[in-house]
Amino acid sequence: LAKTTQPISMDSYEGQEVNITCSHNNIATNDYITWYQQFPSQGPRFIIQGYKTKVTNEVASLFIPADRKSSTLSLPRVSLSDTAVYYCLVGDIPQAGTALIFGKGTTLSVSS
Amino acid sequence: DAGVIQSPRHEVTEMGQEVTLRCKPISGHNSLFWYRQTMMRGLELLIYFNNNVPIDDSGMPEDRFSAKMPNASFSTLKIQPSEPRDSAVYFCASTPPTAHVYNEQFFGPGTRLTVL
Repeated sequence: LAKTTQPISMDSYEGQEVNITCSHNNIATNDYITWYQQFPSQGPRFIIQGYKTKVTNEVASLFIPADRKSSTLSLPRVSLSDTAVYYCLVGDIPQAGTALIFGKGTTLSVSS
Repeated sequence: DAGVIQSPRHEVTEMGQEVTLRCKPISGHNSLFWYRQTMMRGLELLIYFNNNVPIDDSGMPEDRFSAKMPNASFSTLKIQPSEPRDSAVYFCASTPPTAHVYNEQFFGPGTRLTVL
């Protein structure tokens, strides 16, 4: 599994766009990049996944440059409810049921 | 549909006591994972099962920990005897057999264990 590095914490204000960058210099050809979000007192939940270029869903966008050595999770116009820990995970799309390895994540604090 | 169900949600016990945490995965899911989360160590995988069979238990900290999955709808994580350093939030997660495109894991609400 490729090692990932992301900031320990970030602060933002409501309405701003937040970009969280994850470094994964040793990403392998078959690896995908997945982000999970964890609210206080809850389990993590999947938010987005990509392989290259850009992926967008109703929650976030994921930008992956051509060399794939990093990725950026973009949260548009954050609100107080986006305060959470965001985890970047890199690994091969596995057979169903392969374990995930979580790092420490990035704690995002959104203030009014 | 009900999500992953864990019980109890909170458990307070004394050192040396046996603790049993329970998990009911989402119906139809065939993989189940037990994680432990602490401030110091973050979220750690303890063990996971595919089709009720333990696949990787290398994350189980020591022999005091054991996990079983007697059928597709139930799993237990047992700690005997418990120690204060076992205090943590324990999460159970499951995935369906067709989840491999996203490897999306569905987490339960967790059990907060406090060992005094």
